[in-house]
Parts: sequence; C-alpha cells; structure tokens
Amino acid sequence: EAAVTQSPRSKVAVTGGKVTLSCHQTNNHDYMYWYRQDTGHGLRLIHYSYVADSTEKGDIPDGYKASRPSQENFSLILELASLSQTAVYFCASSEGQGAGQLYFGEGSKLTVL
Amino acid sequence: TQRLEQSPRFLSIQEGQDFTARCSSSTTFPQLYWYRQVPREGPVILVTLVKSGEVKEQRRMTAKFGEARKNSSLFIARAQPGDAGIYFCTRASSSFSKLVFGQGTSLSVVP
Repeated sequence: EAAVTQSPRSKVAVTGGKVTLSCHQTNNHDYMYWYRQDTGHGLRLIHYSYVADSTEKGDIPDGYKASRPSQENFSLILELASLSQTAVYFCASSEGQGAGQLYFGEGSKLTVL
Repeated sequence: TQRLEQSPRFLSIQEGQDFTARCSSSTTFPQLYWYRQVPREGPVILVTLVKSGEVKEQRRMTAKFGEARKNSSLFIARAQPGDAGIYFCTRASSSFSKLVFGQGTSLSVVP
C-alpha cells in the first residue's frame, strides 16, 4: 500500500489559472517535500515542511506556495500557472532531519497550456 | 556550492554488461545516497553511504564512497532490463534539512 499518495496524477491547466497539487502520507513522518522534475535537471526542491502549519522555501520557490495543514497533508499551490511550470511534481516524506531516506509519491504531471 | 556532477548522463548497454555510474562534488559529502527512478514513479533509495571509503554490496550492486568524501560510484554487474532507469546520487544540504540531487544517469538495457 502506497505510503505517499499524490493527486491528481495528471492535470492540464490554462495559463493564469490556479492549480493545487495534493499530497498525503501515512508514514507518520515529520518532513515533507515538493520537488519538481524537468528533463535534464534532475529533481529540484520547491518547498518543504518539518511541522504542521509551517513551510520553508526550497531552492526554486518562486511562483509556488505550499500549505501543511496537518502532519499527513502537504499541498503545492500555483496561484497563476505559467507555461514554464509544466513539469512533473513529486511529493516526498522523511522521518526527520538529515533527510537521507525520502519516500516519494508517484508524481503529478502538470501541463500548462 | 553543493552541486553534484554525475557521469555518464546517458548510457545504453546490452543485457549482461556491467554498468558504472559516478558522482562527484567540489565539496565533501556528509552522507551520500543513491536512488533509482523508473518511468511514472518516484525515486526509490538504493543505498546510503556514510563513512569515508565505505563499500556496500547488495547482490549485483556495489556502491563506493571515496576516501575524501567527494565522490562515489555505483557499479551494477551483469545488467538486466529491470535495472533500467535513472540513477541519482544525492546528498544532504549543509543544514541537513533537505536533499540535493544530481542530474542523474539514465540507463537503458537492451535485451
């Protein structure tokens, strides 16, 4: 049974529209992350959180917001989607600081037209 | 900088051949991790390296951590089609709060 689940798995959005990607984990982990994957760039960290009701900026936070309403849930929000945000987004969780072993979801493919 | 360099970026080999992915950085790694990603799935951890010069063997896979903690290699013997995917090396950031990913080595194995 998947411990990190993402929804939607695929979405097509229009430029300027709002997009929310959701992530739910049953690992009882404190840390959760949102990564973006583009061809040739590996995975880049957008936002992360180590406690409910608090989020931290990652390496590429511009154009994204994050929300951690509970330990289990972590959302990524694109208020005004742009073409350049077309990518595959991965959510992950880890047990604690150190971030060594991340457990990833299956990804959400976002296409902005 | 905590940038990770991986080589080769792309590789196609015949089934049964050996495969080596390499990872390096200009700064030392506190710890190093190798992940593998297959299409339409998230990366999955393969191995964690902590000590200088550490070598870990798991079935056909051997992972090595350099003595200077600035490089690592991942060796797979007798590759099978199921070994195909993107192999990422990653390291913790200096604050230990997040992982930094290399760009990956994309491996295809031809039957």
